[in-house]
Amino acid sequence: GAGVSQTPSNKVTEKGKYVELRCDPISGHTALYWYRQSLGQGPEFLIYFQGTGAADDSGLPNDRFFAVRPEGSVSTLKIQRTERGDSAVYLCASSFPGGTQYFGPGTRLTVL
Amino acid sequence: QQQVKQSPQSLIVQKGGISIINCAYENTAFDYFPWYQQFPGKGPALLIAIRPDVSEKKEGRFTISFNKSAKQFSLHIMDSQPGDSATYFCAASKGETSGSRLTFGEGTQLTVNP
Repeated sequence: GAGVSQTPSNKVTEKGKYVELRCDPISGHTALYWYRQSLGQGPEFLIYFQGTGAADDSGLPNDRFFAVRPEGSVSTLKIQRTERGDSAVYLCASSFPGGTQYFGPGTRLTVL
Repeated sequence: QQQVKQSPQSLIVQKGGISIINCAYENTAFDYFPWYQQFPGKGPALLIAIRPDVSEKKEGRFTISFNKSAKQFSLHIMDSQPGDSATYFCAASKGETSGSRLTFGEGTQLTVNP
């Protein structure tokens, strides 16, 4: 009965570095979402997976951001050449198709 | 473009009082309106949700009121408790079908004083 888990819980990196953020969805959930939450703001949609494919990546801010879900379960959000403006909490959510989205605790990314 | 606007930004209520948070949306294609509760260091958790075919939904102390013509909806927390102190987000999506990305409001930080 585990919920959505995300690792690491905190990540500090330097400007220009590459980072990977991992999301383990609830078992059986085929839909997976990534959101980004800046301080004092609501989460903003980044990308949605149905199974292995990215069904909607219209929220990715630029081509430095990329996400994969190769086996339809775990997903990795990848950020190249990080910038200070990328600092935020990155949230992952999963659901059954059309179901309630359950969120993980997030990864707090700090770019120095 | 902010598609879901939420107010107030912060709210202080005495224990036992009523907390009211309001949201307005622009996109008439939205047809699913959830409210999420978020505690510090945690992800948002679904509190209650409504579809536009009803004007009100109640679950325990939490009630959503929905006004389709005004494109507004609100969350009422009755008998507010200190444990309700959290950040509340309204959200909207285009149906509870596959790919229903959520558009969130800016959030309301609720403090319930004992």
